[in-house]
Amino acid sequence: AQSVAQPEDQVNVAEGNPLTVKCTYSVSGNPYLFWYVQYPNRGLQFLLKYITGDNLVKGSYGFEAEFNKSQTSSHLKKPSALVSDSALYFCAVNPNAGKSTFGDGTTLTVKP
Amino acid sequence: EAEVAQSPRYKITEKSQAVAFWCDPISGHATLYWYRQILGQGPELLVQFQDESVVDDSQLPKDRFSAERLKGVDSTLKIQPAELGDSAMYLCASSLSKADGYTFGSGTRLTVV
Repeated sequence: AQSVAQPEDQVNVAEGNPLTVKCTYSVSGNPYLFWYVQYPNRGLQFLLKYITGDNLVKGSYGFEAEFNKSQTSSHLKKPSALVSDSALYFCAVNPNAGKSTFGDGTTLTVKP
Repeated sequence: EAEVAQSPRYKITEKSQAVAFWCDPISGHATLYWYRQILGQGPELLVQFQDESVVDDSQLPKDRFSAERLKGVDSTLKIQPAELGDSAMYLCASSLSKADGYTFGSGTRLTVV
C-alpha cells in the first residue's frame, strides 16, 4: 500500500527567510510526485510536479522542490518567504494506478 | 483560467437526512475525482471516474454514499442518510491525465448536526 508522510505538522519562518517543507513516501515503482497548497476554506491548488529527469523542479509562486528517489523524499522550498505564503501544503504521490494519495499536510506560518 | 465548479459551498443538514453535492469539471477532463477531507487531515479518495465509468470506489461507503457521472461531464455525490461523522470538506477534482496534477474545486463544507 502506498503512503505519504509529512513529518512536520507546523513550520514557522520569518518573512524573507528561506522555507522548507518535507515529505517522505512509500510506493512501488516510479510514481509521479506533486505538491499542492490550500488556503482556508478553499480547494487545493497545484504547485508543481515531478515525473522524471532533473531532481530540482520549479513551480508556481516562486516555489521549487527537490526530489530524492533513493530516499523517497521531497523538500518543497522557497528562497524568501512571504506572509501570503502562509497556508497548508500537501505532498501527493500518484503511482501508475492513477489515483493520488495525499499526506496530512504541513501548516506554514510566515511571520512579518 | 478554467475552474472546477462545485455547489453548494456550505451545507448544514440534520443527521439521517439526504444531501447531495454537484461538480462540473474542466471541459475536456475525462477523469473526475471526489475526495473527502476531514479537518486536520489530507484528502482521501472516495471515487474516481473515467468518463462515465467508475474506476475506483473502494473507499466509498456504499451503504450510504452514491456517485454518478451519467453523461461523462458533471457529477453528483449523494449521502443518504447523513451521519455526524460525515462532517467534512468534500472536494471534487479533475485532470487531463495523471501526469498533469489535479485541478480542485473550492469544495463543499458539510456540517451534520
